[in-house]
Amino acid sequence: QVQLVESGGGVVQPGRSLRLSCAASGFIFGDFGMHWVRQAPGKGLEWVGVISYAGSNQYYADSVKGRFTISRDNSKSTLYLQMSSLRVEDTAVYYCAKDLYSITSPTGDYWGQGTLVTVSS
Amino acid sequence: QSVLTQPPSVSAAPGQKVTISCSGSSSNIGNNYVSWYQQFPGAAPKLLIYDDDKRPSGIPDRFSGSKSGTSATLGITGLQTGDEVDYYCGTWDNSLSAWVFGGGTKLTVL
Repeated sequence: QVQLVESGGGVVQPGRSLRLSCAASGFIFGDFGMHWVRQAPGKGLEWVGVISYAGSNQYYADSVKGRFTISRDNSKSTLYLQMSSLRVEDTAVYYCAKDLYSITSPTGDYWGQGTLVTVSS
Repeated sequence: QSVLTQPPSVSAAPGQKVTISCSGSSSNIGNNYVSWYQQFPGAAPKLLIYDDDKRPSGIPDRFSGSKSGTSATLGITGLQTGDEVDYYCGTWDNSLSAWVFGGGTKLTVL
């Protein structure tokens, strides 16, 4: 069965960097686009960005553009989110989500359990 | 402020039907498929409806989706106390080049 397992979250000071990982299994990882979606405590869902199946295309939310980078290693079935210049408002649970078929017609058909990132001094 | 507008809360009695609306514009709902997600406290979102009105395998037919113009609707019939969680709509926005979500709707089964 499809499994997505995020890791790498934790407490980090403002201005520092952090890298999240999402280990995928149960499907052909290299065939699907992958998203990062976050949820601040007590708030709704906020899309962070997406990477195409081959990694050649990425789109980002304006709130993270220029600070966050999504990458993937299809040989390891792993998705990454490199976060830099972190701000207090980046505090959230970060989910990776598998796209059903098209990154510009997104549908998250499977989601990981999430990893909490807390940005605090 | 979310790009898609959902009511913060809706309520209905057990066994009854409820609808949750999701309002957008021509740059998002009007020209792209809508999906709906159910989220239990402390858990990841779960796909309920995709491509406006399709149910993934395993989702009961108590859940339905529809769309008209720039608005979409999630319908839930035969309400159960276990349905009392948060629901989100989402779609692509062509102007923002972004996946946008509604602010979420909390369903209360009275």
